[in-house]
Amino acid sequence: EVQLVESGGGLVQPGRSLRLSCAASGFTFDDYAMHWVRQAPGKGLEWVSGISWNSGSIGYADSVKGRFTISRDNAKNSLYLQMNSLRAEDTALYYCAKSLTGDNRDDAFDIWGQGTMVTVSS
Amino acid sequence: EIVMTQSPATLSVSPGERATLSCRASQSVSSNLAWYQQKPGQAPRLLIYGASTRATGIPARFSGSGSGTEFTLTISSLQSEDFAVYYCQQYNNWPTFGQGTKVEIK
Repeated sequence: EVQLVESGGGLVQPGRSLRLSCAASGFTFDDYAMHWVRQAPGKGLEWVSGISWNSGSIGYADSVKGRFTISRDNAKNSLYLQMNSLRAEDTALYYCAKSLTGDNRDDAFDIWGQGTMVTVSS
Repeated sequence: EIVMTQSPATLSVSPGERATLSCRASQSVSSNLAWYQQKPGQAPRLLIYGASTRATGIPARFSGSGSGTEFTLTISSLQSEDFAVYYCQQYNNWPTFGQGTKVEIK
């Protein structure tokens, strides 16, 4: 079964850091670009960051550029999001998502995890 | 950044009726457009990609059309399980999402 499982969320104070992980299974992880998407409570979807299979192409939303870093470990079938200088507006459910057709960074997302909640509050 | 604008924000439809949802891009995205369905407490589900290709397992009552900057998702005969929020997403140059259209029971 193709599956993505996020972890690492929690309550964190403004200005602090948090690292999210996404464990992939059921497909050849290093054949696909991967992404992080977030959803603030009661709000819509916001793409956060994406990474190609070999980490050669990486992109970020303007709202997180310079604060968040995406990475992957293909040997561990895992995707990560290092979040620094967190703000209240970063409070959201964070999903990892798999690209539909392969390594194309510009792609639809066919598999999503269930998300991990990040709450930034003092 | 390409801005995606969906309309209407809320669509009230009776079961069995047709629903038409619109999505506009701030610049051309060719056919690099996807639609997702999201129900409360669930992750989004891919419905349509390439503007008009149904994803695996998606019923034929869902159809997508358009190219460039104007796109439409049509649900031909709404079933009870179709009441949800729908998002469009462009992936022409890194992805961005529309703000969503909620399809509710009339």
